[in-house]
Amino acid sequence: DAGVIQSPRHEVTEMGQEVTLRCKPISGHDYLFWYRQTMMRGLELLIYFNNNVPIDDSGMPEDRFSAKMPNASFSTLKIQPSEPRDSAVYFCASSLRQGGSNQPQHFGDGTRLSIL
Amino acid sequence: SQQGEEDPQALSIQEGENATMNCSYKTSINNLQWYRQNSGRGLVHLILIRSNEREKHSGRLRVTLDTSKKSSSLLITASRAADTASYFCATVNSNSGYALNFGKGTSLLVTP
Repeated sequence: DAGVIQSPRHEVTEMGQEVTLRCKPISGHDYLFWYRQTMMRGLELLIYFNNNVPIDDSGMPEDRFSAKMPNASFSTLKIQPSEPRDSAVYFCASSLRQGGSNQPQHFGDGTRLSIL
Repeated sequence: SQQGEEDPQALSIQEGENATMNCSYKTSINNLQWYRQNSGRGLVHLILIRSNEREKHSGRLRVTLDTSKKSSSLLITASRAADTASYFCATVNSNSGYALNFGKGTSLLVTP
């Protein structure tokens, strides 16, 4: 079975540019999560969706960040305009609803983002 | 926000030895999970222990949970070079729905 698929794997762009990260969750999973990993702050939850609806976006750093889930098989995380401090590895994860919060999350391999 | 805090930050052992990592957390939880991350890869779920459980086993992994001390430990027995990775504990808090709160991880190096 295919796991969570993220694209691109690496992105290098200049400050001020728009960045779009993409995620395809595991088919049949109801929850989708976006995390950011940095050396300083570790892994932080940015936002998560249930059945394509955003449930908690309290971790989104500021208005420059936005996330959408137009259907059950696709989500985007957009940064506009990007800043050097946004450089990090961004992970997408998905999980099943059955069993509630006692379900493991399945992670993609992440997008390594560098803003110059 | 960070919830779990792993200890030690780094651990170096030889193949065949056991590795023990500890995790402390701050608030009431529904469950605690351990994940492994190999360099340049995503996190892989290892084991989940619910708040009403005290110990759980999976292959060479043993996890304990002490809710009175708000702490957990992960034991990897008979370690292998392939176990070299970072290990993270993550909690699902009682009031935070499905969000995972991660610690900063323990970096484990297993040398042949």
